[in-house]
Amino acid sequence: NAGVTQTPKFQVLKTGQSMTLQCAQDMNHEYMSWYRQDPGMGLRLIHYSVGAGITDQGEVPNGYNVSRSTTEDFPLRLLSAAPSQTSVYFCASSYSQGLNEQFFGPGTRLTVL
Amino acid sequence: AQKVTQAQTEISVVEKEDVTLDCVYETRDTTYYLFWYKQPPSGELVFLIRRNSFDEQNEISGRYSWNFQKSTSSFNFTITASQVVDSAVYFCALSEYGNKLVFGAGTILRVKS
Repeated sequence: NAGVTQTPKFQVLKTGQSMTLQCAQDMNHEYMSWYRQDPGMGLRLIHYSVGAGITDQGEVPNGYNVSRSTTEDFPLRLLSAAPSQTSVYFCASSYSQGLNEQFFGPGTRLTVL
Repeated sequence: AQKVTQAQTEISVVEKEDVTLDCVYETRDTTYYLFWYKQPPSGELVFLIRRNSFDEQNEISGRYSWNFQKSTSSFNFTITASQVVDSAVYFCALSEYGNKLVFGAGTILRVKS
């Protein structure tokens, strides 16, 4: 099993550009989520999904979109990148929301100039 | 609303010292789950432990131990005889039953040889 995979590992964008961060898991987990990690702030939830076709907002959703067309994939879209979105992004999956350990991907380091 | 406080931003110890990482949480729910994750310098997030609110037994796993006290809303983590490989950022997290995971800001642990 590959677990949770994320691409790309690194990305540099210019302000205003859009892009999609990819996330996939092969553990048949229903719950998937996206976090951003900023110094001194821990991990903050951006969006999450409790199953294919169902998504919801987390703590910091502005500027991001998600969709969940399959159980395996949960892409995160930046609509118009801003310097404030410079961060490390982690995708995670688990059997259920909040009850079980979450398995994290390796992260994507994004810089917006 | 749920909240996790890790008041120690950074701790430095010398190898073989014992070190305790503090975690204080807030929740109105009677059913909740507490977690600890480790983030080594390589950046990945590693699950360490999950504890539910009905199980106040302390847990020991090798050099790691956890002290859960509902009376003080704390879930502290102790590393005995620390090693350089323990150097990492450690996150405490809380989820109210069936709800999203909320992370503390993290504690940076530096173990010097």
